[in-house]
Amino acid sequence: DTAVSQTPKYLVTQMGNDKSIKCEQNLGHDTMYWYKQDSKKFLKIMFSYNNKELIINETVPNRFSPKSPDKAHLNLHINSLELGDSAVYFCASSQLTGRDTQYFGPGTRLTVL
Amino acid sequence: GENVEQHPSTLSVQEGDSAVIKCTYSDSASNYFPWYKQELGKGPQLIIDIRSNVGEKKDQRIAVTLNKTAKHFSLHITETQPEDSAVYFCAASMDSSASKIIFGSGTRLSIRP
Repeated sequence: DTAVSQTPKYLVTQMGNDKSIKCEQNLGHDTMYWYKQDSKKFLKIMFSYNNKELIINETVPNRFSPKSPDKAHLNLHINSLELGDSAVYFCASSQLTGRDTQYFGPGTRLTVL
Repeated sequence: GENVEQHPSTLSVQEGDSAVIKCTYSDSASNYFPWYKQELGKGPQLIIDIRSNVGEKKDQRIAVTLNKTAKHFSLHITETQPEDSAVYFCAASMDSSASKIIFGSGTRLSIRP
């Protein structure tokens, strides 16, 4: 029944580790996104995929690599985690890019120690 | 690129009173303006949106107004209820296949009983 799901919900890890966050949507949407929300609640887009093709890639460090195995999944892999990566990461999806309702997942709270 | 400013950052109103949140945008090409509500521990959820071909839109207790000339838009919530307590985000986007939604910095709305 869940529209956009993310795993895990919480992720606590040491600096320097590599971690992945998974996202799946069952809405049949063509576009998926990754957002980062910092401690001040600023919500900033990181990546956007349309039909498995990368269309938006903000100025995000190369340590962040999104992967879309199919239209319904968009995973985020982070290498060499840093303290500043601590945030809540949201996955979202929409039928159209940019000018359509975006459906957000519940978020993954990443804490880097 | 687009820049969206949102005020106030926090707002406390008495239950039953009205709340108004204001946003300005910088790019005159923007033509889609959604508002999202984020409850504690959840992802943002669209509550209302407006496109540039209309000046006002209402949905029960929620209304949004748009002034394209001045490049500002506002969210109005009437007869506020405790469940309206949340963080509200305005956003702006262009009608383009590669466009992204730019979010404002958020307003934390608290409803006093």
